[in-house]
Amino acid sequence: GQQLNQSPQSMFIQEGEDVSMNCTSSSIFNTWLWYKQDPGEGPVLLIALYKAGELTSNGRLTAQFGITRKDSFLNISASIPSDVGIYFCAGQRLANYAGGTSYGKLTFGQGTILTVHP
Amino acid sequence: EPEVTQTPSHQVTQMGQEVILRCVPISNHLYFYWYRQILGQKVEFLVSFYNNEISEKSEIFDDQFSVERPDGSNFTLKIRSTKLEDSAMYFCASTLLWRGVSNTEAFFGQGTRLTVV
Repeated sequence: GQQLNQSPQSMFIQEGEDVSMNCTSSSIFNTWLWYKQDPGEGPVLLIALYKAGELTSNGRLTAQFGITRKDSFLNISASIPSDVGIYFCAGQRLANYAGGTSYGKLTFGQGTILTVHP
Repeated sequence: EPEVTQTPSHQVTQMGQEVILRCVPISNHLYFYWYRQILGQKVEFLVSFYNNEISEKSEIFDDQFSVERPDGSNFTLKIRSTKLEDSAMYFCASTLLWRGVSNTEAFFGQGTRLTVV
């Protein structure tokens, strides 16, 4: 099946530091998304990227959709303690269904566990 | 803000028993999904559902699994005869679906933690 390789697996940083994580795939995706998951909760969408080369920011978060459509990165600037959690990348492809065209299933990366020390 | 709700939050069941996990998707969403996450692992796709039928399913979604939209609001996942390895967090998600391409995000519920003993 489709595999997303996400790195690093875990990061331990000091508050105020910048963080970078990335995902690569052997196949193309139409959409790249970044989710954050807190313990015992469902994934919450941080940023969605729809065009190759797109660079999008959401507050202290910046993500880019690789030009080859096979990779993406997420940067977090000036980390704070509440940034702690697991960050997942996810790829999505267009799919044709009876009702039209939409985005199909999400394929998730393995996750990056972020720990921020105050 | 509208949200996907799942019940129960935690279910413990004996091996071989049937379980039904329930989800109420966001009201104007038309596309529904089930994902699962084994403890410490990534989130894995199980099945997608549109217009009262399965659109896509993974190899995990074998004959022991079934989904149903019994009324206008609920979306359920049934596991007929649970196995120890079915222990996981199960997430329901929903999206809008427009005719033509839709740039839309999947909203996830809080999950149901299933423990098979």
